[in-house]
Amino acid sequence: EPEVTQTPSHQVTQMGQEVILRCVPISNHLYFYWYRQILGQKVEFLVSFYNNEISEKSEIFDDQFSVERPDGSNFTLKIRSTKLEDSAMYFCASSEVGQGTGELFFGEGSRLTVL
Amino acid sequence: GENVEQHPSTLSVQEGDSAVIKCTYSDSASNYFPWYKQELGKRPQLIIDIRSNVGEKKDQRIAVTLNKTAKHFSLHITETQPEDSAVYFCAAPNTGNQFYFGTGTSLTVIP
Repeated sequence: EPEVTQTPSHQVTQMGQEVILRCVPISNHLYFYWYRQILGQKVEFLVSFYNNEISEKSEIFDDQFSVERPDGSNFTLKIRSTKLEDSAMYFCASSEVGQGTGELFFGEGSRLTVL
Repeated sequence: GENVEQHPSTLSVQEGDSAVIKCTYSDSASNYFPWYKQELGKRPQLIIDIRSNVGEKKDQRIAVTLNKTAKHFSLHITETQPEDSAVYFCAAPNTGNQFYFGTGTSLTVIP
């Protein structure tokens, strides 16, 4: 069964450093997303991406964040200058149809620890 | 934007009993309501979903009911088993392109 894959599974970084989280969505999916889950809390929407551009972003997704689809398979989330409060699990997800109408498939997540 | 509330936050049941988790939403245009199960340290996985053109959907021991007028939907798990222990999240979309998740319900099934 095809699945969304994410790397790294765990990254530890110093405050102020740049971090890039990588995702390979399911190959025939057209919509890509990043979500964040702080330990013990709910899953929070960060950004959605369709047709090579951001289609929607939340207030969490400020200027420190950016997303990119550098080639036909990868979808990346960059945090420019990490803060302690960026420590969380970051989930990539993809869907075949637009969010709000069809199933989201989540990756295993990338745990980010900012020291 | 969408406001999704979920209750209860924790739920303990004896094995074999039923569990019910409820969610309310605010955006009347929402038309797709999934439920995700998240085991400790794992990704959320869809267990059941319902679209606004039906009031109930069942899949073996799991069912979801939807009341569009009242803007609430519920997850029902019957004959609970220890492997049902997990955190369950409901979600609802806004009129744009994002899901809002509930705050989660930690279900513990006591053997």
